Amino acid sequence: GESVGLHLPTLSVQEGDNSIINCAYSNSASDYFIWYKQESGKGPQFIIDIRSNMDKRQGQRVTVLLNKTVKHLSLQIAATQPGDSAVYFCAEITQGGSEKLVFGKGTKLTVNP
Amino acid sequence: NAGVMQNPRHLVRRRGQEARLRCSPMKGHSHVYWYRQLPEEGLKFMVYLQKENIIDESGMPKERFSAEFPKEGPSILRIQQVVRGDSAAYFCASSPQSEQYFGPGTRLTVT
Repeated sequence: GESVGLHLPTLSVQEGDNSIINCAYSNSASDYFIWYKQESGKGPQFIIDIRSNMDKRQGQRVTVLLNKTVKHLSLQIAATQPGDSAVYFCAEITQGGSEKLVFGKGTKLTVNP
Repeated sequence: NAGVMQNPRHLVRRRGQEARLRCSPMKGHSHVYWYRQLPEEGLKFMVYLQKENIIDESGMPKERFSAEFPKEGPSILRIQQVVRGDSAAYFCASSPQSEQYFGPGTRLTVT
């Protein structure tokens, strides 16, 4: 069935290191992917998105990589800061439908000072 | 431009009572989505509405749950005869077209 899963539920890094958060998706028809950050007690916050006709997209300190061959998505955060501590979710949309988001379970990122 | 507003932020109901959750989309957004999040899990889609229309309710339980988005006023997610399993965070998101902006959520606790 529909599912977007994550390889690791938790990730702990030192401040200043780079972080990589992975996501596997199962629906090969999905054509739009988004990474969200969710801090405790808050709603998901958009970080970056990528369409299926791309394999890489860069933002400010963040990069998303998409490998359609193995249905894998990753989020790279450069020079991780304590403020980056949160749960990160990948989500997918299949265009042409209702554009509902299908979320994975999330990876909890902890940044140690 | 204010973000997506949800109220109440916290709601406690006894089993059997009704819960009403409100969502005011961002100005100019005519698409509203409702999602439910259980502890330690990702968000699960419930329903997608446009003004006065339900577009996709494939994630809504068949009984006790309903949603509306009237021409005027906020979108309402209504849960009748709540049970303990309804305890969760409920998020709405609004969208002008594709990108969805989330509200802070309503945390429902059923005692």
